[in-house]
Order: sequence, then C-alpha cells, then structure tokens
Amino acid sequence: GQNIDQPTEMTATEGAIVQINCTYQTSGFNGLFWYQQHAGEAPTFLSYNVLDGLEEKGRFSSFLSRSKGYSYLLLKELQMKDSASYLCAVTDSNYQLIWGAGTKLIIKP
Amino acid sequence: GAGVSQTPSNKVTEKGKYVELRCDPISGHTALYWYRQSLGQGPEFLIYFQGTGAADDSGLPNDRFFAVRPEGSVSTLKIQRTERGDSAVYLCASSLGGQGTYNEQFFGPGTRLTVL
Repeated sequence: GQNIDQPTEMTATEGAIVQINCTYQTSGFNGLFWYQQHAGEAPTFLSYNVLDGLEEKGRFSSFLSRSKGYSYLLLKELQMKDSASYLCAVTDSNYQLIWGAGTKLIIKP
Repeated sequence: GAGVSQTPSNKVTEKGKYVELRCDPISGHTALYWYRQSLGQGPEFLIYFQGTGAADDSGLPNDRFFAVRPEGSVSTLKIQRTERGDSAVYLCASSLGGQGTYNEQFFGPGTRLTVL
C-alpha cells in the first residue's frame, strides 16, 4: 500500500529552527509537495521537490532524497504565525497526490 | 475569480437528506479536485476532473457520492442519503495542468458538512 509518515505534533520556540520529517512509500514518484494549513483554513502551497537536494525559499527550505524515500521541511527564525499543520504529499506513478496526516507545529514564545 | 471559492461554507443537514456542494475554480484551471478532510487528518482524495470529464473517481467512497463539472468550470459534489460518517470538511482544489504535469493545487476554503 501507499504510505506517508510524518510526526503528529512538534513544539518549538519562537526564533528557533525546526525540522519536520516525512517518509514515504508510494507506487512510483513524480514529486513531493509541502503545504501549510492553519486551523480552519485551506492548505496553501509551500514547496515542491522532484530532484534530490535542498530547495530554499526564504525562511523555509525543503529537502528530498528519493533513494531514501525521505523529505524534510526546515523552518528558520520561527514566528508565532508559523503555528499550523504542515502536510507532506507525494505524486505517485498515476500522478495522484497522496497526502500525509500532517504535523501540527506549536510555537511557544 | 482570484481564488477557488466554495459554497456554502457550512452545511448542517439531517441523516438521509441530499446535499450539494459547489466549487468555483480559478479561471483557466483545467484540473479540479475534490477532497474531504477529517480533523487531524490529511485530505482524502475523492475525484479529479480534467475539463468536463471525471478522469479519476477512484476515491469516491460509494455510489451515494457523485460529482459533475458540465461546462469544465464550476463543479458540484452531490451526496445522497447522507450519513453521520459523511461529516467532514470538503475541500476543492484546482490546478493549471492536470495529472502528468507539475500540478500545484490551489485550495478553496472548504465546506464544513455536519450530518446530524
């Protein structure tokens, strides 16, 4: 079966750095997305990786290793507004997007 | 419009009733997706449209669920004989291209369906 694993919840301190991991087992791979979802709101796009390596976009970076079936989202200089759920999603061989359950990130002052 | 819109934002209905949920995608987006999301879970795929046709409806849980997109723009998700287990947030997303291409999906605000 297809599976996306990410931690259920993480806590970090304002101003710090946090890394949210995602491991996947899917039938084929055609890219990995990270989305942010604030409580009661729709998911919004953060990043996309299809090749191995690190993609940096401001305070957020996303890393991919296809051979390990692994990605992480790195958030730097955490702000209170970063408190949200972070969803990892993989496009499989049928180009269907398979979603993880999300990681709830709690930022403390 | 500027983004994906969904109506209604909230729908409360009684078990056994019929409901329709509407999605208006971003203008020019050919691909449209329906998901449902329960609390603490990721989106669960229901159906994908490319233009007017349902290219993949493998996520529809049973024959009580049906969706249409007659003119390749607005889509309606229809649920017959609703059950309490149908209670969830129903999300609609659209993308410029469809499956087989880079398909960043833009989500609407969702419809929260509560079946009493």
